[in-house]
Amino acid sequence: EAQVTQNPRYLITVTGKKLTVTCSQNMNHEYMSWYRQDPGLGLRQIYYSMNVEVTDKGDVPEGYKVSRKEKRNFPLILESPSPNQTSLYFCASSPEGRGSPLHFGNGTRLTVT
Amino acid sequence: KQEVTQIPAALSVPEGENLVLNCSFTDSAIYNLQWFRQDPGKGLTSLLLIQSSQREQTSGRLNASLDKSSGRSTLYIAASQPGDSATYLCAPLDGQNFVFGPGTRLSVLP
Repeated sequence: EAQVTQNPRYLITVTGKKLTVTCSQNMNHEYMSWYRQDPGLGLRQIYYSMNVEVTDKGDVPEGYKVSRKEKRNFPLILESPSPNQTSLYFCASSPEGRGSPLHFGNGTRLTVT
Repeated sequence: KQEVTQIPAALSVPEGENLVLNCSFTDSAIYNLQWFRQDPGKGLTSLLLIQSSQREQTSGRLNASLDKSSGRSTLYIAASQPGDSATYLCAPLDGQNFVFGPGTRLSVLP
């Protein structure tokens, strides 16, 4: 089944403890992206990647890192999480980025205490 | 910077009604626009993608229109069903990035 898989679905952590949210797609998509969704602020892009080894900042990249060493994987790294990073995170992919439908994962709900 | 608004914020209708969801964006220089559906606790599902050169796109009971010059898109849902209950988001593609609206929360009552 074609899908974007995020893990974990739920994560509770403490301030400053490094964490990684994984994202994997099995559709051979070139483009991948991370978003966070917050009440009243909607979906905002964190980082995106047009292809392997190519990543760019979105609207809210501060406090996040990403890497794209393989086409299928695009992990989101929080080196030192803070409570303002408590949010619902989505990974998405599309065949080419511009002009192609986005496919979303089911989300990761992160709570930082 | 692109700003996207959606009206209404919430809508409750009886089953069977035809309805229109509205999306407005401030920068008309977009490449395309997507409409998504989001169910509670789940990710977004792409419903329709309209290229900037198109005026309409249809899929089943859904029809989306795009008027780039006026910065507007509408999603028309015919003969609504309870299974259509969800939040609907529009997202114009601005450069390399999709900019998402806040969504319209739709409830279709049996």
